[in-house]
Amino acid sequence: EVVMTQSPATLSVSPGERATLSCRVSQSVSGNLAWYQQKPGQAPRLLIYAASKRAAGIADRFSGSGSGTEFTLTISSLQSEDFAVYYCQQYNNWPLITFGGGTKVEIK
Amino acid sequence: EVQLVESGGGIVQPGGSLRLSCAASGFRFSSYSIHWVRQAPGKGLEWVSYISTSGASRHYADSVKGRFTISRDNAKDSVFLQMNGLTAEDTAVYYCARDWDGGKLDWGQGTLVTVSS
Repeated sequence: EVVMTQSPATLSVSPGERATLSCRVSQSVSGNLAWYQQKPGQAPRLLIYAASKRAAGIADRFSGSGSGTEFTLTISSLQSEDFAVYYCQQYNNWPLITFGGGTKVEIK
Repeated sequence: EVQLVESGGGIVQPGGSLRLSCAASGFRFSSYSIHWVRQAPGKGLEWVSYISTSGASRHYADSVKGRFTISRDNAKDSVFLQMNGLTAEDTAVYYCARDWDGGKLDWGQGTLVTVSS
């Protein structure tokens, strides 16, 4: 079973600052990793796939990096609408996909 | 526009059954595999089940194996999740999600299942 660990659990950031979220995987998933954003009461929305490719319509302040077992989502300058929970997801073992536990980005 | 609309959620007693439906529109349904993913109140996302485009390939999380059955009707652009032997641990919002390229997901809005006496 592929285990995904996100850190920190909660990240307090001021608007306009940079946010860096981490996702660590128990075994290599190559570049087969996605990031999703979820706001309260809403479904998750795909932000990043293939570790670093932005999904359609996603602002360029969102960027992803990493490969193998260590991945990072960076939000370069936080906007008010970016405060949400972020999940990483591996699809290297497709169709048996796995999610991380999430990182909540809150206003400092 | 891709749309996935889940229905069938509600309150059910422990040991009971529910059948969730997911109606798709805005894309060629028969060309896409589908997942069910759930989210317990205040918790993270948990993958539940997968069905291939034809329905020939199906997979389940260990937590639901033997109790849940996924199926699809391509003529009706719909996917179903039959849930039996429900327990409190199955209480969650259940999302259906279109798999558009080997694991990248587009999501419906979800339906809430509450298992309680």
